[in-house]
Amino acid sequence: GAGVSQSPSNKVTEKGKDVELRCDPISGHTALYWYRQRLGQGLEFLIYFQGNSAPDKSGLPSDRFSAERTGESVSTLTIQRTQQEDSAVYLCASSLVLAGYYGYTFGSGTRLTVV
Amino acid sequence: AQSVTQLDSQVPVFEEAPVELRCNYSSSVSVYLFWYVQYPNQGLQLLLKYLSGSTLVKGINGFEAEFNKSQTSFHLRKPSVHISDTAEYFCAVSEVNNNDMRFGAGTRLTVKP
Repeated sequence: GAGVSQSPSNKVTEKGKDVELRCDPISGHTALYWYRQRLGQGLEFLIYFQGNSAPDKSGLPSDRFSAERTGESVSTLTIQRTQQEDSAVYLCASSLVLAGYYGYTFGSGTRLTVV
Repeated sequence: AQSVTQLDSQVPVFEEAPVELRCNYSSSVSVYLFWYVQYPNQGLQLLLKYLSGSTLVKGINGFEAEFNKSQTSFHLRKPSVHISDTAEYFCAVSEVNNNDMRFGAGTRLTVKP
């Protein structure tokens, strides 16, 4: 597609429920990234994919968080047993190989609210 | 791994005044450097980037940044700001041949009339 698409744009869920966030990267972008942005704070790196491989999972906050990617397309970030501290905007970005050279294209994010 | 420090969390400034947003990075290898802007209730947009060559980089909306290797800095500047420049600005660093990018905590620029 023309840009990075994320869905849903807003999600309100009850504490303890599981949620699934989706990211559809730009066609042809092999690298895909997930970040979390809490209210008034910076971007917190979660995970990145090169193709469907995730070389760096060091940013995932706990074992309640997981992510997968099918080939070089859609990625899903799953949060199990959500907690209130999971409330944030979850941003996805994609890039061509060697992201550092080309920079990222960000999606508009999914605003997650855990009540 | 690389890291970024943005020295000012908030910068208030009057319209038409100059502004500098400071950014320092840490890395043991060569890096690429970026500035992103996030307008209220919008996603992040690339403002400018340094890859190699000239240390002075010009971006969109009249912004520029200068890479200083000895001081490990990449400060963002604009000679005359507008109300519409009010936004959150993020500095980011990526190590050469490394695929992930790390962001600073952001600087909120508020331009007052």
